[in-house]
Amino acid sequence: NAGVTQTPKFRILKIGQSMTLQCAQDMNHNYMYWYRQDPGMGLKLIYYSVGAGITDKGEVPNGYNVSRSTTEDFPLRLELAAPSQTSVYFCASSYSYTQYFGPGTRLTVL
Amino acid sequence: TQLLEQSPQFLSIQEGENLTVYCNSSSVFSSLQWYRQEPGEGPVLLVTVVTGGEVKKLKRLTFQFGDARKDSSLHITAAQPGDTGLYLCAGAKNTDKLIFGTGTRLQVFP
Repeated sequence: NAGVTQTPKFRILKIGQSMTLQCAQDMNHNYMYWYRQDPGMGLKLIYYSVGAGITDKGEVPNGYNVSRSTTEDFPLRLELAAPSQTSVYFCASSYSYTQYFGPGTRLTVL
Repeated sequence: TQLLEQSPQFLSIQEGENLTVYCNSSSVFSSLQWYRQEPGEGPVLLVTVVTGGEVKKLKRLTFQFGDARKDSSLHITAAQPGDTGLYLCAGAKNTDKLIFGTGTRLQVFP
């Protein structure tokens, strides 16, 4: 099993550009999450999903969108990148209250 | 916003010393988890505690859940350089959604 995979690993965007962060898991978990982690800080929940076709907002959803068309994939979309979105983004899936994290995507918006 | 405050925020110690990290909240949680995160990687689950007053040991790490299920502590005995990392507590309220603490960055010098 690959677990949770994320692409890309690094990305630099200009203000106003858009991009999609990819996340996939091969553990057949229903629950998936997107977090952002600012330097030296804990994680803040952006969006989450309890299954294919179902998504909901987390603590900091503004400026982001998600979709969940399959159990395996949970992409995160940034439409108009802003410097405040510079962060490390982690995707996770969970089973029985244990969350499994991907390696993260480091995004810089200049 | 439910907040999980961790203290201390930073900790630098010599190999062989003991340390305790605290995780406090005004909210009651159904379970509490501790994660360790190394640079460039996602958090990895260390332990889950679910019963008020519960104590779990993982080699040199001892985790305790407060009687009122509002707080937790992580004690490391004889710290080693391999213990270096960001320690995160995370609370759950009968769902798979986690609220992460503010984090404690530990540096153990040889």
